[in-house]
Amino acid sequence: AQSVTQLDSQVPVFEEAPVELRCNYSSSVSVYLFWYVQYPNQGLQLLLKYLSGSTLVKGINGFEAEFNKSQTSFHLRKPSVHISDTAEYFCAVSRFNNAGNMLTFGGGTRLMVKP
Amino acid sequence: EAQVTQNPRYLITVTGKKLTVTCSQNMNHEYMSWYRQDPGLGLRQIYYSMNVEVTDKGDVPEGYKVSRKEKRNFPLILESPSPNQTSLYFCASSSTRQYEQYFGPGTRLTVT
Repeated sequence: AQSVTQLDSQVPVFEEAPVELRCNYSSSVSVYLFWYVQYPNQGLQLLLKYLSGSTLVKGINGFEAEFNKSQTSFHLRKPSVHISDTAEYFCAVSRFNNAGNMLTFGGGTRLMVKP
Repeated sequence: EAQVTQNPRYLITVTGKKLTVTCSQNMNHEYMSWYRQDPGLGLRQIYYSMNVEVTDKGDVPEGYKVSRKEKRNFPLILESPSPNQTSLYFCASSSTRQYEQYFGPGTRLTVT
């Protein structure tokens, strides 16, 4: 079984400050890792993904994440946030079996950027 | 435009009245999935499908059915809805080459 824990349910931060959203996962097999963003009243949009290769992954809107296999973490970072980054962020792990794509999400972190 | 569509977007119904939420994608994706989103619980996978006629249960399949008769469509069926199925539902699809899932706009279901 696989699981994802997002350690902070809410993260308040001032505009132009750096931010880190934490994600830890557990899985008995190799996984693929994702961060999605959900703006108010919208669906989910992919921010970035880790499939293999370099452990530092860059995504859209200036976000990046680092895969740490030994700590089973995939934390999301941005050096300077904007008001428009206010949204809910979801970490997810994926693995495939014969029937398809088994995707498990964390509980989400609400990023609140204040002026 | 590449997209995943869901209908209806909003639905209020009563306990026990069968309903279907449709999902369609125009990207020729093999994989399709259904999720429900509840506050504090994130998204939980209900059912997923690798291709036509191949489906499997996710984490919370109780009370739901799916079918995959055509590659582009993956309807979610609630045979006898109950209030604990009040939630926000998302359909998603992905290809075998890209792995990430593309999400529909969501269906907000209220069961009274």
